[in-house]
Amino acid sequence: DTEVTQTPKHLVMGMTNKKSLKCEQHMGHRAMYWYKQKAKKPPELMFVYSYEKLSINESVPSRFSPECPNSSLLNLHLHALQPEDSALYLCASSQDEGGGPYSPLHFGNGTRLTVT
Amino acid sequence: GNSVTQMEGPVTLSEEAFLTINCTYTATGYPSLFWYVQYPGEGLQLLLKATKADDKGSNKGFEATYRKETTSFHLEKGSVQVSDSAVYFCAWTDTGRRALTFGSGTRLQVQP
Repeated sequence: DTEVTQTPKHLVMGMTNKKSLKCEQHMGHRAMYWYKQKAKKPPELMFVYSYEKLSINESVPSRFSPECPNSSLLNLHLHALQPEDSALYLCASSQDEGGGPYSPLHFGNGTRLTVT
Repeated sequence: GNSVTQMEGPVTLSEEAFLTINCTYTATGYPSLFWYVQYPGEGLQLLLKATKADDKGSNKGFEATYRKETTSFHLEKGSVQVSDSAVYFCAWTDTGRRALTFGSGTRLQVQP
């Protein structure tokens, strides 16, 4: 069982909808991440939170809005998405920022998003 | 800039065959290197890691040695099983970087 829980597992939304992806971890990790993974591609970093503050935004369009309400939770709010935003959205956490050898990334199983 | 390059897949092997998945890195410093594995329908899991030259990471029968002279971190397993079928990602990070960067991934298919 994964220690990082993502909900929902699957989401279908129209281009005018507003939805949210949720991620939760109870390992006491201080860094949390959102990655986007298209089919047959590696994960691409979107956002990094460290100690509940946004640390990295990889020039992600504003239709994606991250939120870190507390050290265990990470949300990704979605609004006015495009069909090309359809992908697997992965959440990860690590003890400290960076995913280095002494603070490896722990991934959830992802939310499969389809934008129609 | 720093990067990792993986061999293209898919790699198709019969059960009990020897596996090698190539990964080479380009770096100005001494990055930490990793192999992550993604099983179907799941997120990624750390498989093994190495932090300096000549380090050998190992886990679940997989091994990889950080070779500075060839700038490589090839993944090997002596006898693969059907359950090893997955996508394998080489990855790197370095001191001061705030996130991990993944290679393109190599799909492994093991046939009974």
